[in-house]
Amino acid sequence: GAVVSQHPSWVICKSGTSVKIECRSLDFQATTMFWYRQFPKQSLMLMATSNEGSKATYEQGVEKDKFLINHASLTLSTLTVTSAHPEDSSFYICSARDLQANYGYTFGSGTRLTVV
Amino acid sequence: AQTVTQSQPEMSVQEAETVTLSCTYDTSESDYYLFWYKQPPSRQMILVIRQEAYKQQNATENRFSVNFQKAAKSFSLKISDSQLGDAAMYFCAYRSAPGNQFYFGTGTSLTVIP
Repeated sequence: GAVVSQHPSWVICKSGTSVKIECRSLDFQATTMFWYRQFPKQSLMLMATSNEGSKATYEQGVEKDKFLINHASLTLSTLTVTSAHPEDSSFYICSARDLQANYGYTFGSGTRLTVV
Repeated sequence: AQTVTQSQPEMSVQEAETVTLSCTYDTSESDYYLFWYKQPPSRQMILVIRQEAYKQQNATENRFSVNFQKAAKSFSLKISDSQLGDAAMYFCAYRSAPGNQFYFGTGTSLTVIP
C-alpha cells in the first residue's frame, strides 16, 4: 500500500533556530499534502494544505511566515519551523493524497518537535 | 465548518469483549466520507474503517464495524473480540466528498484489560 515517510521522527532544537521536517510519498505521486499539528492528548489540527508547484494554503490562525511549507516535487513536501520557540513544541504529522487510489489518504509517522 | 464530536474521552473493555465508540458530526452536506483512525503509542495514524455517506450499508472490516445513522448524524465504531493490540487512541473523522480537508474528533482513548 501507499507509504508516507516522515523525517525526522523526533528533533530537539534551541529557541531561535529553524527546523525542517520532510514528508515523502514513497511509492506514489502526491499532488497534495497536508500538515497537521497535534498537542498532547488532543486531536489533529490542520495547519496547511500544500500543492505541488504552488503556494500552500494556510488555515486561519497559522502563521505562514513561521511555518514555511514547500512542495517542490510530487513526492516531497517540507515544513520548516522558523525561529522556533518552546510553544512550537508539538507533534507534527503530514498526510498525502494518492490520486491513483480510490480513497488514497496516507499519514506519515509524525515528528515530535521539542524546543528548549 | 463541520464539527466532529466524540463524547467518550476514555473507554475500557475486557479482552475478547465488545466495545462501541461513539461519534456524532454536524454537516449540511449530503455527500461525504466518515472514518475511524487508530493512533497507537507510536503515534502513527492507521485507518481502521471508512464509510461513504451515500451507502446505506454499514461498513465492516473483520472485527471492526460501524453503525452509520445518516439522519441522526451518528457514526459509532464497534470492536468485537477486543485484543490487547486494539489499545490506542481512536479518532473519528469527516471529509467532504469534493474536498480534501479532514475534520477530526477529540479522540477516545481505549484501554483493553487482559
